[in-house]
Amino acid sequence: GENVEQHPSTLSVQEGDSAVIKCTYSDSASNYFPWYKQELGKRPQLIIDIRSNVGEKKDQRIAVTLNKTAKHFSLHITETQPEDSAVYFCAPLPPSGGSYIPTFGRGTSLIVHP
Amino acid sequence: GAVVSQHPSRVICKSGTSVKIECRSLDFQATTMFWYRQFPKQSLMLMATSNEGSKATYEQGVEKDKFLINHASLTLSTLTVTSAHPEDSSFYICSADGTGGGNEQFFGPGTRLTVL
Repeated sequence: GENVEQHPSTLSVQEGDSAVIKCTYSDSASNYFPWYKQELGKRPQLIIDIRSNVGEKKDQRIAVTLNKTAKHFSLHITETQPEDSAVYFCAPLPPSGGSYIPTFGRGTSLIVHP
Repeated sequence: GAVVSQHPSRVICKSGTSVKIECRSLDFQATTMFWYRQFPKQSLMLMATSNEGSKATYEQGVEKDKFLINHASLTLSTLTVTSAHPEDSSFYICSADGTGGGNEQFFGPGTRLTVL
């Protein structure tokens, strides 16, 4: 199965700084790379995703970059705000159409200090 | 679109009782649903994969006789925690496989189970 590692486990930044979280995976067949944000007691919420045919995707303050050769992808948050404080998870997946087992990274607790 | 509901949102029960949690895809058909358990400050751990019309596939270490999964229709999967004990207290979340051509996961809001 997929081996997913996520770093760092905790990230503390000042409001306005940038934050970067990295996810490393093992299955070279993975082609869907999402990032989820989970606030305490709530469901994971997809915030951005990328497929293997592109190397970068941006949505306002959030971006994801993908390095398929090195098998890692990263979440970038610029101009962080206190409401960005949450736990972030990556969960790379293989192509659809076959059976698969979703595997989540251990999560990164992002704390944005006002 | 792609809304998943989950009920109940919160349940408190006595040790030894059984609790049923429902997961519904409201506006799409979900051939596959996943059940996760999440302990405080930990990641989502997949418990089982639920396929409509067939037996669920359980992950290693998950007791299938304790966590009964039924996926009787394309919009409903249920997880029954049988003979619950305090160590079963956790946040249970379901997700459904999206229909957008990829493997996007659509999550239910979760069920907080507390076993006294």
